[in-house]
Parts: sequence; structure tokens; C-alpha cells
Amino acid sequence: DQQVKQNSPSLSVQEGRISILNCDYTNSMFDYFLWYKKYPAEGPTFLISISSIKDKNEDGRFTVFLNKSAKHLSLHIVPSQPGDSAVYFCAASAGRSQGNLIFGKGTKLSVKP
Amino acid sequence: KAGVTQTPRYLIKTRGQQVTLSCSPISGHRSVSWYQQTPGQGLQFLFEYFSETQRNKGNFPGRFSGRQFSNSRSEMNVSTLELGDSALYLCASSLEGYYGYTFGSGTRLTVV
Repeated sequence: DQQVKQNSPSLSVQEGRISILNCDYTNSMFDYFLWYKKYPAEGPTFLISISSIKDKNEDGRFTVFLNKSAKHLSLHIVPSQPGDSAVYFCAASAGRSQGNLIFGKGTKLSVKP
Repeated sequence: KAGVTQTPRYLIKTRGQQVTLSCSPISGHRSVSWYQQTPGQGLQFLFEYFSETQRNKGNFPGRFSGRQFSNSRSEMNVSTLELGDSALYLCASSLEGYYGYTFGSGTRLTVV
């Protein structure tokens, strides 16, 4: 049973436009959420996180939104750049200091020039 | 500062053999987690070690084991390898109380 779901395996966006990546979770015990970016042959790179006490967190071009009632979070990238092309993973944890992240299966983002 | 270092990068083993993978965390990081990445299952949590103690364990068979040394370096071992163990094994380290695990580049294990 998948506790973290990324229902879109891929997404294609034009350079300069907004990319919106979505993630749904089922476990109401999750209280910390993270987004990672992964290039081929490299480990995932941490992008941004959000605690369940917030509904939005911004870091430069990246914003994560959390809707706890819907158990849904999204990552917005504005403006999208070709270098953003990668696989994006959503991850969740029940407890900030817990090392057992539960990952979604990823969304492959392609940003076209 | 140096990142998370995993060795070896690539490994080919025969079914039935055992394998040991190594991970050196970022200096000062005491928590080390291991993940298995496969095309079908995505990234799955194996186990986490903190100060030489296993703190969390994922849903993997007992053939998968790990340990952490006093210098925070960690190893994972897979015994009696099966073809399905072919995967990218990723190690991640973190400061206690701070989130945003830093991942290594992984060890690509191929079982033939």
C-alpha cells in the first residue's frame, strides 16, 4: 500500500512557465514533508521541506504548499529552467528527526527551451 | 565540505553470494539511513542508524543488515543475493534534529 503517491510519472513544461508537481499521502501521522530532485547516476538532492504546522514554504524559485485536510502537497517551480529537468521525489516522515522517509515514485520533469 | 561517500560505485555479484556496501557520512552527521531504489518500487527505506544503534527498520527480509561504527561510518550487508536485489543502494546522512538528509551517489548492485 503506497503511503505517498505521485500520480503523474512525467510532466513537460515550457521554459519560463510554472511547473507544478503534486503529491498525495494517506498516513495522517506524517508531519514533515520534503522534496528531492534526482539526476541520473546521482543521489537525490534535497530541495525544500515543510512542517505540518505550516501551509507554505518558499525558497527562491521553489514553493511547497501543504493542504493537510486533503492530504496533498505540491511543489511549484517559477520560472522553470531547462536545468530543472530531473526526477522529483516527494517524501514524508512521521517525526522530524526520524530517518525513515517514505518516498513517492517520482515525477520526471522536462523543461523545454 | 565533503559529501556522503559511498563505495564501491558499481558492483556485480552472482546469485547466492553476499555483498557489503560502505557509506561515509558528512563529518559531524550521526544519523545514516539506507535506501534501495528500483524502477518498479522507487526509493524504499531499509534502515537508519544513529550513534551505532539501529533506530528504524524498513520492511525488508533479514538478509539485509547493517551496522554503524563509532566514527559514524556505516555498512550494509546483503546475504544470499537474489536477482531481485539488483538496485541502486543509496545512503543518506543527517545532523540529529535537522532534517534534509544528504544523499550519496549510490552503489549500483547487479546480481547475475
